[in-house]
Amino acid sequence: DGGITQSPKYLFRKEGQNVTLSCEQNLNHDAMYWYRQDPGQGLRLIYYSQIVNDFQKGDIAEGYSVSREKKESFPLTVTSAQKNPTAFYLCASSSWTGLSTDTQYFGPGTRLTVL
Amino acid sequence: SQQGEEDPQALSIQEGENATMNCSYKTSINNLQWYRQNSGRGLVHLILIRSNEREKHSGRLRVTLDTSKKSSSLLITASRAADTASYFCATVQAGGGNKLTFGTGTQLKVEL
Repeated sequence: DGGITQSPKYLFRKEGQNVTLSCEQNLNHDAMYWYRQDPGQGLRLIYYSQIVNDFQKGDIAEGYSVSREKKESFPLTVTSAQKNPTAFYLCASSSWTGLSTDTQYFGPGTRLTVL
Repeated sequence: SQQGEEDPQALSIQEGENATMNCSYKTSINNLQWYRQNSGRGLVHLILIRSNEREKHSGRLRVTLDTSKKSSSLLITASRAADTASYFCATVQAGGGNKLTFGTGTQLKVEL
């Protein structure tokens, strides 16, 4: 099966703890993305990466960190500095042709709840 | 910030009717895309329309784009209960690479 997997599906953490969300793809895509979705809202871009060992901040990067050591993997760490981390987190990937029409494919999401 | 506003926020129709959703955006775009999200799931890409296109079809979907009004519409014809989902427009800004900026979404409910 080709696609994007995210784990875990549900995640609970206590305030003050860092937590890492996993995202893996086997689509051979160069680009990967992390979005945050709040209830009743659209998606907002946290970080994206166009190539291994390189990544860029999106619109709401504060309190988050990422790494891109492998093409297939783009983990997101939600740090204790993120003031309101409870949300639905979506990972996506796409080819990177330099064109703006590369379709993004989304994983099933991780719902993070801070207790 | 979110680029698009969608209208209506929620729409409830009967099976077999057509559903129309509208999206407005603020800046010049390279293309506009529509995505579907079933409750609590990831997004699925539906259709992409380039800034130099005015209308595009895919199965029961029809998308129009009016760049002078900075608006787009998504029409789903002969709707089915399985079309129940949230629908989002997303824009790629001119010179924005492949970064998507999403609208706030329309919740569609199709009743039997």
